[in-house]
Amino acid sequence: DTEVTQTPKHLVMGMTNKKSLKCEQHMGHRAMYWYKQKAKKPPELMFVYSYEKLSINESVPSRFSPECPNSSLLNLHLHALQPEDSALYLCASSQVLGANGELFFGEGSRLTVL
Amino acid sequence: RKEVEQDPGPFNVPEGATVAFNCTYSNSASQSFFWYRQDCRKEPKLLMSVYSSGNEDGRFTAQLNRASQYISLLIRDSKLSDSATYLCVVNTYNFGNEKLTFGTGTRLTIIP
Repeated sequence: DTEVTQTPKHLVMGMTNKKSLKCEQHMGHRAMYWYKQKAKKPPELMFVYSYEKLSINESVPSRFSPECPNSSLLNLHLHALQPEDSALYLCASSQVLGANGELFFGEGSRLTVL
Repeated sequence: RKEVEQDPGPFNVPEGATVAFNCTYSNSASQSFFWYRQDCRKEPKLLMSVYSSGNEDGRFTAQLNRASQYISLLIRDSKLSDSATYLCVVNTYNFGNEKLTFGTGTRLTIIP
């Protein structure tokens, strides 16, 4: 079982809805990541938090808003999404940023935007 | 040119055979390299790191060629459970940040 927990596992939302994806880890990791993965494509980095501060934003549209309330939690707030935003959203953590590339991924939240 | 490139496959290989994948990267400043494995509809998991001297973990051998900017993964005596997508991952230090970039993945199916 993965030590990174994501909720919900599945989410269906309309284009006018506001929803949030949540991610939690209790491994004491200080870097947390959001990736987006479309079918048969590799994960694409969206955001990186290091010590609860936003470290990388890969030019993600503002309809995606990350939040890191504490070192164990990472949220992704969703508002006014488009159907093309439908994808698997993967949260990951690592001991620190870089950490020799060992990311621990959650099982993902599968998002469908209608 | 993509930062990290892999042959997407699919590679359909009989059980017990040896199979090898390559991955090329464009940024010569890239520092560290990894192979991840992703099963269908599952999350990626680290398979192994790739060291300059080459490294082996059971049936898996990884090699790095910095001069030619490629890494490879060799799987010997392939098992049905090796069927998965293998993702090449490159860590690059850029403007004070370290960033992991995933290749497109190579899909492997082991045939009984």
